[in-house]
This record gives sequence, C-alpha cells and structure tokens, in this order.
Amino acid sequence: DIQMTQSPSTLAASVGDRVTITCRASENISKWLAWYQQKPGRAPNLLIYKASTLQSGVPSRFSGSGSGTEFTLTISSLQPEDFATYYCHQYNSYNTFGQGTKLEIQ
Amino acid sequence: QVQLQESGPGLVKASETLSLICNVSGGSINSNYWSWIRQPPGKGLEWIGFVYYSGFTNQNPSLKSRVTISVDTSKNQFSLNLSSVTAADTAVYYCARVVWGPWGYLDLWGRGTLVTVSS
Repeated sequence: DIQMTQSPSTLAASVGDRVTITCRASENISKWLAWYQQKPGRAPNLLIYKASTLQSGVPSRFSGSGSGTEFTLTISSLQPEDFATYYCHQYNSYNTFGQGTKLEIQ
Repeated sequence: QVQLQESGPGLVKASETLSLICNVSGGSINSNYWSWIRQPPGKGLEWIGFVYYSGFTNQNPSLKSRVTISVDTSKNQFSLNLSSVTAADTAVYYCARVVWGPWGYLDLWGRGTLVTVSS
C-alpha cells in the first residue's frame, strides 16, 4: 500500500496569510496526486489534480507543486472561505488519502 | 450538469449487509469509472472501490472480502454492498466520478449519506 502523510495536521493562520501544506508519499507516485477541500457537513471538493493542474472554477490563489514523493498545496492569500480541511489523494496505484490538514483561524 | 445522489438505509444492524445506491443524473454512466469512498465521523477518507459501466470492478484490499460493487446501466446507477458490518463501518458514504480512470482523481461527488451500524 502507498501511504500518504500530510503535515501539519492542524494549521492556524489569518486572513491574508500564505500557507503551505505538505503531502509525502511512501513511494514514487510521479504526478498522480490530487488535493481536495472539505468543509463541515459537505463532500470533498476537487482543487488540484496531476499535482499542479487547477480544477476549473477554483480560485488562482490555490496552487500545487511536486512530483515523486513530495507535494505541496499553497494558498497564496487566505480568504475567510478557505478555512476548511484539506486532503491529498494519490491515484498512482489504488487510491489512498492523506489524513487531512485542518486549517483554522488564528 | 451531472449530479450524483446516494440513497439507502441510514441504520444497519451489526453483522448484516449495508446496501447503497448512487444515482447518476444529467449524464450517462457509460463513460467513466465510478467510485465509493467513506468517511467515519471526525476521521479521514477511505476509498472503497470502483466500477466501470462494463461491470469491471476493483476494491480496496482491506475491504475486498466484504465489498460488492455493481452497475445498472439501464437505471444509470451503481451500487455498493458491504457485508458483515460492524460499528467500524459507521461512516458517511460518498459516491464519486473518476476522471482518467480506473486510477484517477475524483472530480464530482455526491452529498454523502450517513450509515450508522447499530448493535
């Protein structure tokens, strides 16, 4: 099984901050990685796929990078609606998700 | 646009079989792979398995012995059966569309349905 480890588990930040979330894979997954945002009581929402491709309709303040085993999701300037939980998802072999990063208001 | 909607009992007794249906509306089921994912309360996401319109399936190895996923193209829906459930199977169950399947990202999700396993 490919394990996905996100860090940090919780992140406190303020509106306007630049934040970065990291996801590490236990083996090489090339660029087969997606990022999702989930708000309480809602289904996950796709933000980025193939490590760095922004899904249609997602604000450009979201960006992704990385390949192989290390990936990052960056939000360039936090907006109030960005406080949520974020998950990475590898789809190179089967499907596994990171444990999530909860982005909280500082 | 395409929408997904899960349906099924919200309460299942331990040792019985959990059965859910995902209805695909606004588009054909005949063009993608479709997945089931679950999320225990307060926890992370776990992929359960996928199905293709042809009936081809694959499941999470950790659940494979208990999972059956099938498709009904005439009704534009696919289904999940999870047998011998325990309290650990209590979760919100989502269906989702797979892009670049069978191993692809999930671009469209249903709203999810909470299934509680009672003893």
